[in-house]
Amino acid sequence: GAGVSQSPSNKVTEKGKDVELRCDPISGHTALYWYRQSLGQGLEFLIYFQGNSAPDKSGLPSDRFSAERTGGSVSTLTIQRTQQEDSAVYLCASSSFGGELFFGEGSRLTVL
Amino acid sequence: GDSVTQMEGPVTLSEEAFLTINCTYTATGYPSLFWYVQYPGEGLQLLLKATKADDKGSNKGFEATYRKETTSFHLEKGSVQVSDSAVYFCALSRGTSYGKLTFGQGTILTVHP
Repeated sequence: GAGVSQSPSNKVTEKGKDVELRCDPISGHTALYWYRQSLGQGLEFLIYFQGNSAPDKSGLPSDRFSAERTGGSVSTLTIQRTQQEDSAVYLCASSSFGGELFFGEGSRLTVL
Repeated sequence: GDSVTQMEGPVTLSEEAFLTINCTYTATGYPSLFWYVQYPGEGLQLLLKATKADDKGSNKGFEATYRKETTSFHLEKGSVQVSDSAVYFCALSRGTSYGKLTFGQGTILTVHP
């Protein structure tokens, strides 16, 4: 596609429910990143994929958070048993190896 | 660990005013430095970057110089426009982890006609 596409753009869920956020990177980009943007913590790195492998998961805040990437393309970020502090905008970015990052518009998650 | 500190906003200017947004960093070695911009309703976009000391990044009239001695990467523009109203983020990355960015808190800029 023309840019990084994320869905849903907005998600409201109840505490304790699981959510899945999807990222469709720019075609041909081998690297994919997830970031979280929240009022209290600013912009934080979560996880990095190169192809389908995740060599750096150091930013995932707890074991409730997981992510996968299939076919070297689409990635899904899953948050289990959501908590109110998970409320944030989740950003996805992709790049060619060593190239500029292109960000999606984000998925806004609100946990009630 | 690595960190980036930006001047707190919001910053409010009149059109054609001079802009400076301060950014300092803490990191060992020689990180790459970036400014990203987030316009209302849009995703983050790379504005400019510098990869080594004394490099100057520039784009759309904005400039920033990588100052190793002061660990700074201040963003400047000589004459701002209303269309420059956005949130500006300073960031750094290290070596092969090019896309793993450490961001500052962001500075909201509003430019009035």
